[in-house]
Amino acid sequence: SQTIHQWPATLVQPVGSPLSLECTVEGTSNPNLYWYRQAAGRGLQLLFYSVGIGQISSEVPQNLSASRPQDRQFILSSKKLLLSDSGFYLCAWSIEGTQYFGPGTRLLVL
Amino acid sequence: QKEVEQDPGPLSVPEGAIVSLNCTYSNSAFQYFMWYRQYSRKGPELLMYTYSSGNKEDGRFTAQVDKSSKYISLFIRDSQPSDSATYLCAMSAGQGAQKLVFGQGTRLTINP
Repeated sequence: SQTIHQWPATLVQPVGSPLSLECTVEGTSNPNLYWYRQAAGRGLQLLFYSVGIGQISSEVPQNLSASRPQDRQFILSSKKLLLSDSGFYLCAWSIEGTQYFGPGTRLLVL
Repeated sequence: QKEVEQDPGPLSVPEGAIVSLNCTYSNSAFQYFMWYRQYSRKGPELLMYTYSSGNKEDGRFTAQVDKSSKYISLFIRDSQPSDSATYLCAMSAGQGAQKLVFGQGTRLTINP
């Protein structure tokens, strides 16, 4: 069966510091991968998605970037965090249509 | 106008009640419809997945899609306190690397 991991689970970072969130998927090959952000009391905002190694599509221009160095690894990064980057970051994978989510990373920027 | 509209609630019902959660949408190209359940501080968990119009039942959960009205519903029978969560509808126009469009989510509380 497939499993998706995200780490860290919780992160508190100062404004202006860098960020690296990691997502890995087990039990499947060549999945589509997604990064979402969920602000408190709001829906899911798609940030990036990837259909293969090195292929990244950005949905919202912002302070973040994504990379896919390996087939089942997806990384979300920032060079300098802003207060507005606080939120719940979710990674998801799919093969056909339905997306399956990871446990999420809660980021607080102070 | 948002592509997908979902009443954020909160919705509070007594244990054992039938719960009805709904979403409306504007894009007639949507063919795949999903319901996710999200417990506090957790990732969304897929509950139901339906294609085109019709009903799908899984235990106490029933998903309905009415494409002519652009309206989808999730019914929960014999609701339990463990059903207390936020329920998100999602939909897409196709499979593959299709972007899902999510509703805002409805926060549901089942009172013992």
